[in-house]
Amino acid sequence: KQEVTQIPAALSVPEGENLVLNCSFTDSAIYNLQWFRQDPGKGLTSLLLIQSSQREQTSGRLNASLDKSSGRSTLYIAASQPGDSATYLCAVPNSGGSNYKLTFGKGTLLTVNP
Amino acid sequence: EPEVTQTPSHQVTQMGQEVILRCVPISNHLYFYWYRQILGQKVEFLVSFYNNEISEKSEIFDDQFSVERPDGSNFTLKIRSTKLEDSAMYFCASRPGADTQYFGPGTRLTVL
Repeated sequence: KQEVTQIPAALSVPEGENLVLNCSFTDSAIYNLQWFRQDPGKGLTSLLLIQSSQREQTSGRLNASLDKSSGRSTLYIAASQPGDSATYLCAVPNSGGSNYKLTFGKGTLLTVNP
Repeated sequence: EPEVTQTPSHQVTQMGQEVILRCVPISNHLYFYWYRQILGQKVEFLVSFYNNEISEKSEIFDDQFSVERPDGSNFTLKIRSTKLEDSAMYFCASRPGADTQYFGPGTRLTVL
């Protein structure tokens, strides 16, 4: 059974700092990995999807990397801003069939202080 | 940009009552999902739906739960007799043939 772990559980940084969020998964036979952002009491906003054949995916100040063999992904946020404050979740789909049900990590709560 | 929508945003009900949570997936998407998130816990999969039938369901999705796509646009989750432990945020998601799942804003269900 796939397990997804995110470290750290919480992170507080000053504005402008570059930071890295970590995600690990136990079953490396994944099709892709998706990073989401969740604001308090709100839904999930997809940030990046990185395919299993890719090493990196970039969107603006965000860069996701994937090392399938070691079961790890990182989300790098450059020049952090207070508006980046949110919980960041990573999720992987099940490896069997085409259902693609997602298994989520518990998330990293990021606070960017002005 | 098309979005998944969910109604209501917040539902309060008494234990034992039936509730129906509604979702309008993105049109032309083929796969539909319900997830839930109990406060402070992980988002967890409930059920997936494809080609007008359930394709997979989790252990949580017992006989008290059902899903329907009654009219080709709405996608509903029904809980027949709510329990206190059903209190959670319920998310609907949809996916085209490609991989990215798009989530709705959620319905917060409070069972008293």
